[in-house]
Formats: sequence, structure tokens, C-alpha cells
Amino acid sequence: EAGVTQFPSHSVIEKGQTVTLRCDPISGHDNLYWYRRVMGKEIKFLLHFVKESKQDESGMPNNRFLAERTGGTYSTLKVQPAELEDSGVYFCASSLTPLEQYFGPGTRLTVT
Amino acid sequence: AQSVTQLDSHVSVSEGTPVLLRCNYSSSYSPSLFWYVQHPNKGLQLLLKYTSAATLVKGINGFEAEFKKSETSFHLTKPSAHMSDAAEYFCVVSPNSGGYQKVTFGTGTKLQVIP
Repeated sequence: EAGVTQFPSHSVIEKGQTVTLRCDPISGHDNLYWYRRVMGKEIKFLLHFVKESKQDESGMPNNRFLAERTGGTYSTLKVQPAELEDSGVYFCASSLTPLEQYFGPGTRLTVT
Repeated sequence: AQSVTQLDSHVSVSEGTPVLLRCNYSSSYSPSLFWYVQHPNKGLQLLLKYTSAATLVKGINGFEAEFKKSETSFHLTKPSAHMSDAAEYFCVVSPNSGGYQKVTFGTGTKLQVIP
């Protein structure tokens, strides 16, 4: 069974540019989560989809971040325009139930 | 409200000696607790989980953790460290309040295993 995949694995962009991160969950997992780890800090929740609906987006830092999950399959997280403080590792996870989330390898975003 | 404290940011052990990674939690509900491991350039992998059944939980790769409600702790242990255990470990709490459950991560403990 394929795991959660994320693309790209690493992205380097300049401040002010736009970046789109993609997450492909495990097939059949209705729950999809985005998390972020800023360097030296804890992993923080960003948002949670159930199928294509946003269940909880309380962790999204500001309106420069837009997450979508069209059709309830893969999800994208767009940052526009990117700022220096957006640098970090963005993790995606999926699950059948909230109690056991399967994580992807993460996308390392560097904003210069 | 809930929180997780991993008491050590770095732990260093010699190969073949025991491993102890400490985690304390607070939660308004009887929580579910998890340990995840992240090896370099890999995703987070679930090591073990406690979900209100047996308080001593056995996980993969010889790891285990004991839920101690009186001490609000969920420390991760392994009798004998292996070089492949070198990684970063995260303690995670979920409120187990029924329905939707948002998890909270600890800050992580980096485990170094010395040959």
C-alpha cells in the first residue's frame, strides 16, 4: 500500500513569490491534515479536511495560506505571497480515524 | 486544553544500553497518547499508541511506553539501543473527547546512539 506522498520534497523561493505544496493521501482516507514545523519549534497543526470539506482550519497562520482538497483526494497548500517566517517543513497526514494518522515525508520550504 | 512536554531535547546513549525518552502531558480529557519517530529525510512513523486500554504499550522495534495517569507521563523506553534508533522522537497527545480530535505535538527529542 502506498503511503502519503508529498511534492516537492524541497522548495526554495524568494520572498514575495508563490509556492504550492501537494499532498496525496493514502487511498480511501477521508481525513487529511496539514502541519508545519518551523525550525527549532514543535510541529503545529494547520488544518484538517474531511473529504473535501475543511473540518478545522484554526491553525492556519494568516490569509496568505490557502488549502484546497478538490474531489476529496489530493490536497494543495498555497502560500502567496511567501514571507521569510513561512520557512519550515510542511507535513501532510491522512487517516481513516483521527486516532492513527499516517504522515508523509514533508516538504522543506525555504524562503530567502 | 492540552499540552505535551518532552523533557529532553537531546539524549545520547551508547549502543546496547537502555533508552529513556521522557514525556509529560496535560489534557482536559482522558487522552490518547502516541510516540512517533522521524528518521532523516523520512516521514513521521507511528511507534506506539495508548488509547485507554492497557497502560503498558508495546510498539515496533522493541520500544514500549507506560501510561501513568498519576504522574501524567508517557515515557518511551527500549532495553537496548541500536544504531538504527538514532532519530528524532515526538510525543503526541489527543484529547480523546469523542468525535473530532486535534493532536498536539511535543517539541521532539533527538536520540543519538554512540557506537
